[in-house]
Amino acid sequence: DVVMTQSPDSLAVSLGERATINCKSSQSVLYNSNNKNYLAWYQQKPGQPPKLLIYWASTRESGVPDRFSGSGSATDFTLTISSLQAEDVAVYYCQQYYGTPYSFGQGTKLEIK
Amino acid sequence: EVQLEESGGGLVQPGGSLKLSCAVSGFTFSGSAMHWIRQAPGKGLEWVGRIRSEAKNYATAYAASVKDRFTISRDDSKNTTYLQMNSLQSEDTAVYYCTKVATGTTASGFWGQGTLVTVSS
Repeated sequence: DVVMTQSPDSLAVSLGERATINCKSSQSVLYNSNNKNYLAWYQQKPGQPPKLLIYWASTRESGVPDRFSGSGSATDFTLTISSLQAEDVAVYYCQQYYGTPYSFGQGTKLEIK
Repeated sequence: EVQLEESGGGLVQPGGSLKLSCAVSGFTFSGSAMHWIRQAPGKGLEWVGRIRSEAKNYATAYAASVKDRFTISRDDSKNTTYLQMNSLQSEDTAVYYCTKVATGTTASGFWGQGTLVTVSS
């Protein structure tokens, strides 16, 4: 099974500054036949279900602000928020959907410094 | 508008059973794979399992933690997917979400609000 590990577990960033969250998979989630990374990022605010932000490692879901971006390939991935806004306070999860059982990282709690 | 609504949660004793339902609308349910994902109180997300469409033989897959205890099914005529949970343990206490994949990917783009299952004596 693929194990997803995020770092850091928590992060405090000043408003307007960059926030970076990392995600590492125990094996490659790059499917060679279509050159796609089966990696997604979700945002979860208190009392709400998660919201899909990024899929295929770098494709923003419709309606997601362009300050959110995803990068990386194979086993190492990054979610970047270019200029932190107050509404970005949340827990962020990466997920591999390369193969079952799908798996999530443990989450990264993002707060305002 | 895509909508998913889970129901059936509640308090159950250890060793007991419970069946969750997820009623959907706003998309062609019969052609969509459906997933169940859970979240224990104050904890992270755990993928529970999924069921594919009829075209893919209603294939199911499960997390190791629930395999042989949980069963996912669907009734395309009712636009509903189900999660039958047997031999429940305290560690199964969680909010259970059903999800549908987003357009153009197999990541979970649409989520219900979840239903809380509490396993306790």
